[in-house]
Amino acid sequence: AQKVTQAQTEISVVEKEDVTLDCVYETRDTTYYLFWYKQPPSGELVFLIRRNSFDEQNEISGRYSWNFQKSTSSFNFTITASQVVDSAVYFCALSEAQEDTGRRALTFGSGTRLQVQP
Amino acid sequence: KAGVTQTPRYLIKTRGQQVTLSCSPISGHRSVSWYQQTPGQGLQFLFEYFSETQRNKGNFPGRFSGRQFSNSRSEMNVSTLELGDSALYLCASSLEQQARADTQYFGPGTRLTVL
Repeated sequence: AQKVTQAQTEISVVEKEDVTLDCVYETRDTTYYLFWYKQPPSGELVFLIRRNSFDEQNEISGRYSWNFQKSTSSFNFTITASQVVDSAVYFCALSEAQEDTGRRALTFGSGTRLQVQP
Repeated sequence: KAGVTQTPRYLIKTRGQQVTLSCSPISGHRSVSWYQQTPGQGLQFLFEYFSETQRNKGNFPGRFSGRQFSNSRSEMNVSTLELGDSALYLCASSLEQQARADTQYFGPGTRLTVL
């Protein structure tokens, strides 16, 4: 069975600080996908990034960066120079094949609430 | 391109009633998935529809059902509502060009309150 753990329930930082959100996953598949989503107070889950299990190259997008390490089953997310608008709940998710149908469903972590104070 | 839309955004029902939620996927997307989000259980997968067929189902009782229409729009139904069904119900759509590479894009959700 697949599992995603986000051990940090809530993080509070001051604007312009860097912050890293941790994500650890468990899966028996060799092919899988990892995702990060942002959920602002409005409730909609906003897609941030997708990573497949064969691509361990780290990715940077503006102030956002992601560190994927298969050796430790981790997919951590760093926000550099945080801003108040980054305040939200961030979810890490895993997608692997369903054995019976071959289809995928997302398994989510419990989320990390990030509060960026001005 | 318009995103995933869900209606209604808010709903209040009483125990024992039934409810139908609607989801319109992003234009061209053929797969629709539904998730339930509660403070206690977090985000949990309900079911997925593709080409009007349920292709995958999570661990929810039979009171939860859904369907998909030929235009890919989807509805989910909850019968005999219980207090524990109060939640944010999120719909997501994906393109399905490459099954394993799909990214699911979410709508704003329907917040259901059961009294």
